[in-house]
Amino acid sequence: ETGVTQSPTHLIKTRGQQVTLRCSSQSGHNTVSWYQQALGQGPQFIFQYYREEENGRGNFPPRFSGLQFPNYSSELNVNALELDDSALYLCASSWGGGTGSYNEQFFGPGTRLTVL
Amino acid sequence: DQQVKQNSPSLSVQEGRISILNCDYTNSMFDYFLWYKKYPAEGPTFLISISSIKDKNEDGRFTVFLNKSAKHLSLHIVPSQPGDSAVYFCAARIQGAQKLVFGQGTRLTINP
Repeated sequence: ETGVTQSPTHLIKTRGQQVTLRCSSQSGHNTVSWYQQALGQGPQFIFQYYREEENGRGNFPPRFSGLQFPNYSSELNVNALELDDSALYLCASSWGGGTGSYNEQFFGPGTRLTVL
Repeated sequence: DQQVKQNSPSLSVQEGRISILNCDYTNSMFDYFLWYKKYPAEGPTFLISISSIKDKNEDGRFTVFLNKSAKHLSLHIVPSQPGDSAVYFCAARIQGAQKLVFGQGTRLTINP
């Protein structure tokens, strides 16, 4: 069974640029959630994708957008990067859309984004 | 608005003793609570969970206690081992929603 993988591991961008982060979900999972973890803080929910549709969003501006593909892998896109976007971006995969009983989320190792 | 709080940024415990990590929450709509463990350069790993209809859940050395009237939960690790040294996150799910709300984390260090 393959776990959740993310790419790239590290990334450095400058303010105003755009970035795309990628996540491959665990085999058998159809749901991907994205979280932002700033230094010294806990992960904060950005959004979730279930069966290729956005299925819940946290308190993040529209310049944070995403996609889920038919194989359930996912992308997180951030436009017009700001210094405060520097963080560890985590994706988590699970089965089901999360509205019923809780289905465990399995996290990838994260992508460390630095915005200069 | 921090709905899930871990007020101790760090905790140091002697090997073999009990480690107690605490978490407070404010939202009465949380229906599921979880503890995650995180090592450097790895994603959080699920440790143990508890439904809001229960007050205790045990899994080996790990026990989670939930006090709904106080809006407080705790994780007990007995006995503590050096491999338990990590950052521990408390998380909660709002009933019917898709996201987890995390606390800020507590860095646990187990001393030999």
